[in-house]
Amino acid sequence: GAGVSQSPSNKVTEKGKDVELRCDPISGHTALYWYRQSLGQGLEFLIYFQGNSAPDKSGLPSDRFSAERTGGSVSTLTIQRTQQEDSAVYLCASSTGYSGYEQYFGPGTRLTVT
Amino acid sequence: AQRVTQPEKLLSVFKGAPVELKCNYSYSGSPELFWYVQYSRQRLQLLLRHISRESIKGFTADLNKGETSFHLKKPFAQEEDSAMYYCARGSIYNQGGKLIFGQGTELSVKP
Repeated sequence: GAGVSQSPSNKVTEKGKDVELRCDPISGHTALYWYRQSLGQGLEFLIYFQGNSAPDKSGLPSDRFSAERTGGSVSTLTIQRTQQEDSAVYLCASSTGYSGYEQYFGPGTRLTVT
Repeated sequence: AQRVTQPEKLLSVFKGAPVELKCNYSYSGSPELFWYVQYSRQRLQLLLRHISRESIKGFTADLNKGETSFHLKKPFAQEEDSAMYYCARGSIYNQGGKLIFGQGTELSVKP
């Protein structure tokens, strides 16, 4: 079946604009994760969804970042008033939600803030 | 704080040489540990996890609780092993499988 998909694959935006990044997880996966991959920072956890609720938002870097998940499926990560330091690759992953189980990653969205 | 440390940003070896990518983690406990790999222009994917005690593509990793390490090893490196390797652990608070990643090590295998 289809893997995790993300859109857009690339996004260039001006500083101060809002952006929305989308993730379609593998069907039936209840857990969904957002990570950020940037130079010098490696892979950072942002937020975790179990179904439509987000029990762990501890990795969101500021209140400009928010995310939602609807229907236990698609998730949207929104960054308001983008800053240059938000430039990174944003990765989405899904899994069965049990610790120790494999996470399946999407191809990522490369965000560039000019 | 929960941390995963990969001390080498870049590791360069010749084809056929042994390779060891180092990984250390904070907090002993009973961690869930993984190695993920990202080949050029491909998505991040699981290579192996310690609970499976498996060998994938010739790679193995042994959990050493005394040294809090989970180093990745392969006796004879191949050019196709060139990739970015990330060590990761599950959160000690069992937060639904959330992963804490190391900074990554780029492995370059030269012919």
